[in-house]
Amino acid sequence: SQTIHQWPATLVQPVGSPLSLECTVEGTSNPNLYWYRQAAGRGLQLLFYSVGIGQISSEVPQNLSASRPQDRQFILSSKKLLLSDSGFYLCAWSPGTSSRRVFGPGTRLTVL
Amino acid sequence: DQQVKQNSPSLSVQEGRISILNCDYTNSMFDYFLWYKKYPAEGPTFLISISSIKDKNEDGRFTVFLNKSAKHLSLHIVPSQPGDSAVYFCAAHTGANSKLTFGKGITLSVRP
Repeated sequence: SQTIHQWPATLVQPVGSPLSLECTVEGTSNPNLYWYRQAAGRGLQLLFYSVGIGQISSEVPQNLSASRPQDRQFILSSKKLLLSDSGFYLCAWSPGTSSRRVFGPGTRLTVL
Repeated sequence: DQQVKQNSPSLSVQEGRISILNCDYTNSMFDYFLWYKKYPAEGPTFLISISSIKDKNEDGRFTVFLNKSAKHLSLHIVPSQPGDSAVYFCAAHTGANSKLTFGKGITLSVRP
């Protein structure tokens, strides 16, 4: 069966510090991978998605970037965090163009 | 422009009664709709879905109704249980680009 992992579970970082969140998927190959953010009072906002290694699409202009160095690994990064980057970050995967997303457990990021 | 709208941020229901969660959309190209359930500090989990060619889909205590002419769907939970207390996200999918658009979510509280 497929599983999706995210770490860390929680993170508190100062403004201006770098960020690296990692997501890995097991039990499947060539998944579509996604990064979402749930900010206070807002829904699930799609940040990035990837259909293959090295292929990244950005949905919104922002302070973040994403990379996919391996088939089942998706990384969310920032060189300098802003206060507005605080939120709950969710990695998700889907097989091909399926409408369903399977979400990871999430990372709670607080930028102080 | 928010294409999927969940206008009521919260709903409180007595245990055993019916919960009705509403969702409206603006994009007539959406062809598949999903409901996700999310507990605090966890990733959303898939609950139920409906294709645009149907007007009803039922799974146990959960039923989703779709009114395409009104661009409206609703999730009915009968009977409601305290364990149903969570945030419920409505999401809509367009087959053309396989993107999934989420609403802001509704917080359901089921009182014992």
